[in-house]
Parts: sequence; structure tokens; C-alpha cells
Amino acid sequence: NAGVTQTPKFRVLKTGQSMTLLCAQDMNHEYMYWYRQDPGMGLRLIHYSVGEGTTAKGEVPDGYNVSRLKKQNFLLGLESAAPSQTSVYFCASRDPGQGAHDTQYFGPGTRLTVL
Amino acid sequence: LAKTTQPISMDSYEGQEVNITCSHNNIATNDYITWYQQFPSQGPRFIIQGYKTKVTNEVASLFIPADRKSSTLSLPRVSLSDTAVYYCLVASGAGSYQLTFGKGTKLSVIP
Repeated sequence: NAGVTQTPKFRVLKTGQSMTLLCAQDMNHEYMYWYRQDPGMGLRLIHYSVGEGTTAKGEVPDGYNVSRLKKQNFLLGLESAAPSQTSVYFCASRDPGQGAHDTQYFGPGTRLTVL
Repeated sequence: LAKTTQPISMDSYEGQEVNITCSHNNIATNDYITWYQQFPSQGPRFIIQGYKTKVTNEVASLFIPADRKSSTLSLPRVSLSDTAVYYCLVASGAGSYQLTFGKGTKLSVIP
């Protein structure tokens, strides 16, 4: 049971390039989330999904797109990267049906630098 | 979503008990209080959750007064490895899709 995994761990992009971050979970969780974390800012929610085929905007969705084609995977896309998107990106999953409310399981993060 | 307020940072010596208080004045009847811990270069991890009174597990205790407008995370006899950022969240579980993380409290344990 690997929990939540993220690919890649590190990436450097040039302004205007595109890329996709992959999040995978093997806990059969319904909900999945993408956050970004900047120094001194805590975690901010980008997009989330409450089930396969569904996505919704979070607090800071601009410049990002997501897809949830399979229950276990949640993809975060940057179509045209900007230096302001330099951040650490965390994926999380959660199963609201379990006894413990709001227990999110986080991945190890992806450190993205946009030059 | 209920807003939470925590101290930005705290320092403690090894072996001391640390109490971190979170204010959540507009907590709703169905809301639970959850605390997460984040070490540098890692994702946050769940440490404790409660609804009212006191909850204790192998890592920490959580104290919630009757009015539930605040909560206190208690870490007994901290060590250097407890140096981390601690986040307090308030949400109502299955009906709450979005969970808001504040800036958290950065705890520094001093030898």
C-alpha cells in the first residue's frame, strides 16, 4: 500500500512550457485534491475532485487544469507555465465515508521551478 | 468554511509540554476540529481530531471547551523531532468538500 504518490518529485520549466503533474492513490478514496504551498503562505487549494469524472475549482485555480479520468489518478496541468507558479505542489486524497472525518492523506510533493 | 486563527510561531525547549491554541469562533454544529503536522519538505499528516471535550492518542491530546470556539493541541515532552508546522482545520466531514489550511503554527524545539 503506497498511499499517495506524486510524479515527478522535481521539475524545472521555462516560461511558457507546459507540463502535467500526476497524482496516484491506492486507497480507493473518492476525493482528491491539489494544493500549492509557497513560503509563508500555508497550503492553498487549486482544484479538487469528489469522484471519477468530476472536478471543481478551489481557491487559486487560474493557470491550472485538472482531470480525473480514473478514480485512482488526479492530473494537474500547466498549459503555459509562469514564474508565479514556482511552488511546491501537494496532492491529497480523502474518503469521507470512513469513521474519521476530514482525514486527508498527502503525497510527498513536487517541487516546481519556472524560470 | 469556519476560519481559524493560530499563533504564527512558538519556541520550546526539549522535554517541555507545548500547547498550541486555535481560535474558531464561527464553528458550526456539525464541524470537527482536526490538526495536521508538516515536517520540512514533506506533505502534512493527520495527527488528531475531535468534536468536544478531550481526545488523546499516542502523539498528542486535543482539548475542546464546551463552547467549541477554540481548541488546544497539547504535545507532551517535545523533542527536536517535533519541530514542524502545525495546522488547525475546522470542517464538517462528508458534506465539506473544501478544507482550508491556514498558515499554521511553526513550532521550533530548542535543545
